[in-house]
Amino acid sequence: GAGVSQSPSNKVTEKGKDVELRCDPISGHTALYWYRQSLGQGLEFLIYFQGNSAPDKSGLPSDRFSAERTGGSVSTLTIQRTQQEDSAVYLCASSFNIRKQFFGPGTRLTVL
Amino acid sequence: GQQLNQSPQSMFIQEGEDVSMNCTSSSIFNTWLWYKQDPGEGPVLLIALYKAGELTSNGRLTAQFGITRKDSFLNISASIPSDVGIYFCAGQLFTGGGADGLTFGKGTHLIIQP
Repeated sequence: GAGVSQSPSNKVTEKGKDVELRCDPISGHTALYWYRQSLGQGLEFLIYFQGNSAPDKSGLPSDRFSAERTGGSVSTLTIQRTQQEDSAVYLCASSFNIRKQFFGPGTRLTVL
Repeated sequence: GQQLNQSPQSMFIQEGEDVSMNCTSSSIFNTWLWYKQDPGEGPVLLIALYKAGELTSNGRLTAQFGITRKDSFLNISASIPSDVGIYFCAGQLFTGGGADGLTFGKGTHLIIQP
């Protein structure tokens, strides 16, 4: 497709379980970003990839959060031992020239 | 860290009215972006600003990059029903070696009464 895609669109999990969220960036975009949006809030930066490396992990809220990117394309955000406060919409964005970021539709995570 | 103050938090206006919203930052950015987000969707880029003082239009939308590099505004002229949504400002600071993630304001919720 032409845009950033994310899967799943919705995920409901139980507290303590691990979840994996996937992002497919726009073809050819070298930079990839993950953000978190809590209810009624703005977006919170989590992590940035340039190619397969992550020069900026400063936004990851705890060591339960990790992300990887392989082949310079698809990225996976993993949350281990999920907590209720992890419930949010997780948004992925990609960019070609690092100045314009284009967002996917997000994954809505609900931790029961 | 950097903080963005976006105002107003919400606006209730009549169709056809002009709209103005702004963001101020505690530190400088070298890129300002304005996004619109509809329910259940990701933000959509409206306008990107790259130079202090830059004024850019996109149809009925006009945005400016403040000369202090710490603020930006977005104006919407002659609002129509499809303008309803949440508008976010975002700032980015980057060097030649890489880029920070975007810092977002908390959004302006625009509601249009017919």
